[in-house]
Amino acid sequence: DIQLTQSPSFLSASVGDRVTFTCRASQDISTYLAWYQQKPGKAPKLLIYSASTLQRGVPSRFSGSGSGTEFTLTISSLQPEDLGTYYCEQIYTYLRGVTFGGGTKVEIK
Amino acid sequence: EVQLVESGGAVVQPGGSLRLSCAGSELTLGHYTMHWVRQTPGKGLEWVSLISGDGTSTNYVDSVKGRFAISRDNSRNSLYLQMNSLRTEDSALYYCAKAFYYDGSGRAVFDVWGRGTMVTVSS
Repeated sequence: DIQLTQSPSFLSASVGDRVTFTCRASQDISTYLAWYQQKPGKAPKLLIYSASTLQRGVPSRFSGSGSGTEFTLTISSLQPEDLGTYYCEQIYTYLRGVTFGGGTKVEIK
Repeated sequence: EVQLVESGGAVVQPGGSLRLSCAGSELTLGHYTMHWVRQTPGKGLEWVSLISGDGTSTNYVDSVKGRFAISRDNSRNSLYLQMNSLRTEDSALYYCAKAFYYDGSGRAVFDVWGRGTMVTVSS
């Protein structure tokens, strides 16, 4: 099974800050990685797929990069509505199932 | 508005059974591969099962193989998850999710999610 490790697990930042989270895969997954945002009490929302492609309707302050085993999600200017937990997901093994990272919880200072 | 709505969650004893449903609104489920994903505070998000648009192809996470069965009724625009021999570790919020194929690789992400239905397995 492919494991995804996200860091940090918790992040506290101020409005306007540039924040970056990391997702590391236990083996090469090319660019078959997605990022989701989950706000409290809500379902996950797709932000980015193919490691760097922004889902329609997602603000341009979100960006993703990486390939192989290391990936990052960046919020260029943190907004109050960005609080929540961010998960990465590998779909390299899609037909045998996908796996998610443990999440990074974002708090607004 | 495009929506998925899950139902059927409940409190059930270990060894019991439950059937979850997922209905599409403004969305024709039969056009898409559909998935069940569950979430617990301890284990986070865990993929459970998938079913192809025509229902001919299915797959499951190892921990539920032989106990859970995914199905669909495209005439009712609905997806189901029959859960048998339930264990305490199956307790979770269960989401249905729609697959979004963005390239020709046969791989997909989840672009529409329901709000979830809670399953609690406890004596």
